[in-house]
Amino acid sequence: NAGVMQNPRHLVRRRGQEARLRCSPMKGHSHVYWYRQLPEEGLKFMVYLQKENIIDESGMPKERFSAEFPKEGPSILRIQQVVRGDSAAYFCASSPPMDNEQFFGPGTRLTVL
Amino acid sequence: QQQVKQSPQSLIVQKGGISIINCAYENTAFDYFPWYQQFPGKGPALLIAIRPDVSEKKEGRFTISFNKSAKQFSLHIMDSQPGDSATYFCAASNNAGNMLTFGGGTRLMVKP
Repeated sequence: NAGVMQNPRHLVRRRGQEARLRCSPMKGHSHVYWYRQLPEEGLKFMVYLQKENIIDESGMPKERFSAEFPKEGPSILRIQQVVRGDSAAYFCASSPPMDNEQFFGPGTRLTVL
Repeated sequence: QQQVKQSPQSLIVQKGGISIINCAYENTAFDYFPWYQQFPGKGPALLIAIRPDVSEKKEGRFTISFNKSAKQFSLHIMDSQPGDSATYFCAASNNAGNMLTFGGGTRLMVKP
């Protein structure tokens, strides 16, 4: 049973470009969460999705950030017009229905030049 | 009220010693308390978790102690090994929200 998969593992963008981060949950998991980790800091919740639904986006910045989890395919975290402050590690986690346990992917390290 | 405070920020322990990391929370709605281990360049890996209906849970060399009245919980690593050197995060959530609120992390170094 493959774990949570994220790609790309590393992403470099110039200011003003778009970043797309992908996450495939573990098999049988229908809940996906995105977290951001700044250097030397803990993880901060961004958004919680189920298939075709955003359940909680209270941690998402109001502008430039969006997330989706379509019926088919991976969950996507999209950052438009990136700025240097967006440089961070972005982690996706998944969990089965009705379960608190969250399993994390290896992360995408975004660097904005 | 959503904060989880973790201490110490860093910890150095001799091989074979006990590593102790503490966390405190304020939100009484939290009812699930996991600990994660993270190596550099990797994602957090779930180590052990506890719910408030028990005061202690042990898995191998890892033990969680939970004090509901004080709203504190701690991770004890017995017989610490150099391979345990990593950053440890405590977290908390409740059934309703499911999002995890993380502590700031503890960087553990176990000296041979």
